[in-house]
Amino acid sequence: DSGVTQTPKHLITATGQRVTLRCSPRSGDLSVYWYQQSLDQGLQFLIQYYNGEERAKGNILERFSAQQFPDLHSELNLSSLELGDSALYFCASAAGSGSTEAFFGQGTRLTVV
Amino acid sequence: GQQVMQIPQYQHVQEGEDFTTYCNSSTTLSNIQWYKQRPGGHPVFLIQLVKSGEVKKQKRLTFQFGEAKKNSSLHITATQTTDVGTYFCHNAGGTSYGKLTFGQGTILTVHP
Repeated sequence: DSGVTQTPKHLITATGQRVTLRCSPRSGDLSVYWYQQSLDQGLQFLIQYYNGEERAKGNILERFSAQQFPDLHSELNLSSLELGDSALYFCASAAGSGSTEAFFGQGTRLTVV
Repeated sequence: GQQVMQIPQYQHVQEGEDFTTYCNSSTTLSNIQWYKQRPGGHPVFLIQLVKSGEVKKQKRLTFQFGEAKKNSSLHITATQTTDVGTYFCHNAGGTSYGKLTFGQGTILTVHP
């Protein structure tokens, strides 16, 4: 158990809809990272938050947004969903920002139908 | 950021054979992290290398950081079926700071 909790584990929704994925980091970790992993694809970095502030941005679509709350949990919002958004979404947490080891959650599997 | 290339992309071995994956960069790396993702699982941190020429061992796994800090390798001795998965390297620090980006990784298959 990594100590990182992601909910829900599975999500099935229709095209055009909006969903929110939630991540609770390990106790004490200030950084939260979000990733998208499609079938047989690598881990695509989306965005990082550190202590409530956006710290780094990757290949995140404009339809996607994220935030980190004062209690350090984070949410990833995906809107106007398309079939191609079907993927496994991971969040990871780390104590610092950058070169500290990251701990990944079990992921949320999103299926858009 | 500083891109790292991982080779090979795929490796199939018979159980008991050795396996090596390489992480290469054209520029000097700050430090290297290695992660493993089992099929259907999530990435798990294995190790971080910081110093030039550093070698670290974890049971059958040997991690090495090149003298020029431009490459790193992960070697598994006498593979077992439990070694199956994707191995990722990540250039932590430097211009990649904060991004925690991964390459495509090396997918290892072990045949019993």
